[in-house]
Formats: sequence, C-alpha cells, structure tokens
Amino acid sequence: DTAVSQTPKYLVTQMGNDKSIKCEQNLGHDTMYWYKQDSKKFLKIMFSYNNKELIINETVPNRFSPKSPDKAHLNLHINSLELGDSAVYFCASSPSRAPYEQYFGPGTRLTVT
Amino acid sequence: GEDVEQSLFLSVREGDSSVINCTYTDSSSTYLYWYKQEPGAGLQLLTYIFSNMDMKQDQRLTVLLNKKDKHLSLRIADTQTGDSAIYFCAETAPGAGSYQLTFGKGTKLSVIP
Repeated sequence: DTAVSQTPKYLVTQMGNDKSIKCEQNLGHDTMYWYKQDSKKFLKIMFSYNNKELIINETVPNRFSPKSPDKAHLNLHINSLELGDSAVYFCASSPSRAPYEQYFGPGTRLTVT
Repeated sequence: GEDVEQSLFLSVREGDSSVINCTYTDSSSTYLYWYKQEPGAGLQLLTYIFSNMDMKQDQRLTVLLNKKDKHLSLRIADTQTGDSAIYFCAETAPGAGSYQLTFGKGTKLSVIP
C-alpha cells in the first residue's frame, strides 16, 4: 500500500563515490520530484519530471542526474560525491490536475564521509 | 521572487490551541499547503487551500487565508503530544507545466504535557 517509496533509507559512502537513490510511486501520478533537505530542515526542490520530460531543473550541480525509466519511477544518480551532499533526499509525486498536491516518500539520509 | 516565511518555533500546552503562521510573497499562488514532518519521517500533507478561499476546516485543523496580506495560518484545536512535529507551509503557482512547491523553513511545534 506504500504510495511513494524510496531505497535505500540510509546511505553512507565516501567522497568521490557514485551512488543512486531509487524512487517509485504507485499513485498513478504524472509528475515526480526530488527535494533536498539540509541539516536545518530547509527543503529545496532539485528536479521534477512530467511524463518523462524534465520540466524543472534548479541550479544543482551537474553531478546530480535524474533518470526516469517510466512514469512510476524517478531515480537520482549522484557522481563524485562531496561532503556537502550530505542531506536527506525526498522523492515526491503529484497529479497534473488541481490541487496538484504532492505526496512524499520517507526520505533517504545520505552521509558522505 | 517567491519567498515563504514562518516562525521557527512554537510551544504550547497539551489541550490548548496552536496557531502556526506563514507569509508568502508570490501573488500568483493558486494553492497553499500545510505539511507535517515527524522526526525521521517524510512530509505528510495535512491540508490545502485554494487562493480564492478564506477558510477551510478539517476536523481539528482550521486554515485561514488573508490574500490581501498574503498571510496563511494553521490552527490546531485541542493540541495533543502527537502533534509535536515540524509544520511546513508551501505555495505553488502552476503554469506552463511547472508544479514547483516553495516551502517555508518550517515551524517546530513542541507540545508540553
């Protein structure tokens, strides 16, 4: 019954490594998102995908790349991890009709050492 | 530009009402949302309000919107210890395929037994 799921829940890795976070939604939504939450709990959108097309791309480093194999999945791949990438990453999805409410996954806590 | 402001902390006694305030700057906002985040969890959508409404009530939650002052509030009646969490206000102004949410920095509600 999980609406938006993410794996893994925790990810500890060393600087310079490449890692991926997976996200799946079973809500039949058209749009999916990735947000970054920093240590002060501030949420910032990173990417969104609508029908497999990138429609928002905030000023994130190009080391971050979203990949959407189908409408139900939006994975986040990160190259050459840096200490500043440590954060909690949330996936979300929403329908393309009002009220455009977004449903969030449980988050992936990434720690770069 | 878009900006959403919230006070960072609020402390109330169990059984009292809590009022969490939010101001936003984007006059084109069409929907405003309240999310709840418990420790270690994702964001849970509590409620939303369309910008042409003044008030919305849902059980213990009451949302008030003053569009002239761009002020949004969330009132929680009979606050319980389980209401302790961070509450985020968010706005969206969908258009041209964009459904970006802009979040406030969150208000940490502490309920004193």
